[in-house]
Order: sequence, then structure tokens, then C-alpha cells
Amino acid sequence: QVQLVQSGAEVKKPGASVRVSCKASGYTFTSYGISWVRQAPGQGLEWMGWISAYNGNTNYAQKLQGRVTMTTDTSTSTAYMELRSLRSDDTAIYFCARSSGGYYVLDYWGQGTLITVSS
Amino acid sequence: DIQMTQSPSSLSASVGDRVTITCRASQSISSYLNWYQQKPGKAPKLLIYAASSLQSGVPSRFSGSGSGTDFTLTISSLQPEDFATYYCQQTYSTPRAFGQGTKVEIK
Repeated sequence: QVQLVQSGAEVKKPGASVRVSCKASGYTFTSYGISWVRQAPGQGLEWMGWISAYNGNTNYAQKLQGRVTMTTDTSTSTAYMELRSLRSDDTAIYFCARSSGGYYVLDYWGQGTLITVSS
Repeated sequence: DIQMTQSPSSLSASVGDRVTITCRASQSISSYLNWYQQKPGKAPKLLIYAASSLQSGVPSRFSGSGSGTDFTLTISSLQPEDFATYYCQQTYSTPRAFGQGTKVEIK
């Protein structure tokens, strides 16, 4: 069965960086993309970007350009999202999701990783 | 960027009610519209893709319709497990924005 398992919660200071991992299993990793979505406390869903696990092509939300990097390691079927220069408003749950087909459907999701940015 | 606007932001309904949630795009997105359900403390779950296709395993009381700029998610007979927040998302172009969500509460 398809599973996406994310790394654990972290607390970071403003200005620091964080890297969240998302390990995929149960499907051919390079046949799909991975999208990252975040959700601030009590707020809605925010699309952060997408990476093709086939060729590493990426597409980032404009507001995060320059601070976010998405990568994959096909040898371990793991996707990574690094966010730099953290601010308090980056405090959120970060989700990875498998991105499927031409409609970029998010059909399987990780359990979420809480990132808290606090001094 | 394409903006997605859902209405209403919240609603109260009873078990057995027919519920309709609307999602409007700021420009035409053809049928590149997906719907998700999220319960507190959980990851979102895909319900409908390509505006009207029911995801495998999702009950048939959920349906989607629309194309262009106006879309609808309908729950034909609300069940206790359907109380949740619902989000639309456009995947026509990047950024693949979500609507602000519609919270369905018990009346």
C-alpha cells in the first residue's frame, strides 16, 4: 500500500533552516511527483511547490522563492523540503503528498510535520 | 495568479441534509479542480478530481460538478463522519492554490 512517512516535529529559532523528509513506499517513486503543502495553526492549506521525482524539475510558490528547496533521493525513495531563514509565520504543519497525473491530484498524503519557529 | 474563493466559509447542517459547497476561480481553469476533506489533526483526503471524478473508495454521496470558473461539491445525504473542512484546489496553473476552506458543522 502507498505510504508517505514524514520526519518528526522540530523547534527552530528565527533565521535557522529546517529540512523535512518524506519517505515513500508502495509505488514506483520516479513515476510521480511530490507536492508540499503547509497549514499554519487554525488556517487553511497553502501550496508550497512541487518536484518531479522522475527528473527533479521543480515549481515553487513565488512567495517562498529563494527560501525553499525541494529535492529527491531516488535511491531511498525520499523527498526533502528545506526552508531557510525561518520566521515566526513559518510555524505550521508541513505535509508532503504524492502528485498524480496531469491533474496533479494529491492522492496520498504524509502524516504531517509540525515545525515551530520560536526564539 | 489564480484565486480560489469558496462559499460559504462555514455551514451548519443536520444528518441527512443535502449540502452544497461552491468554489469559484478568478479565471477559467477548465476542469482542473480537485476537492479534499480534512478532519481535525489529520491530513487532507482526496474526494473528487478533475471536477467530477470520484476518487476510489469515496462514498457515492459525494459528487462534484462544474467547469470553467464555477464548481460545486455536493453531499447528497450528510453523514456523521462528513463533519469536516472541505477545500477546493485548482491545478490548471502554478501556484496551485487552494480555496480558504468550508467548515461543515453539526446543527
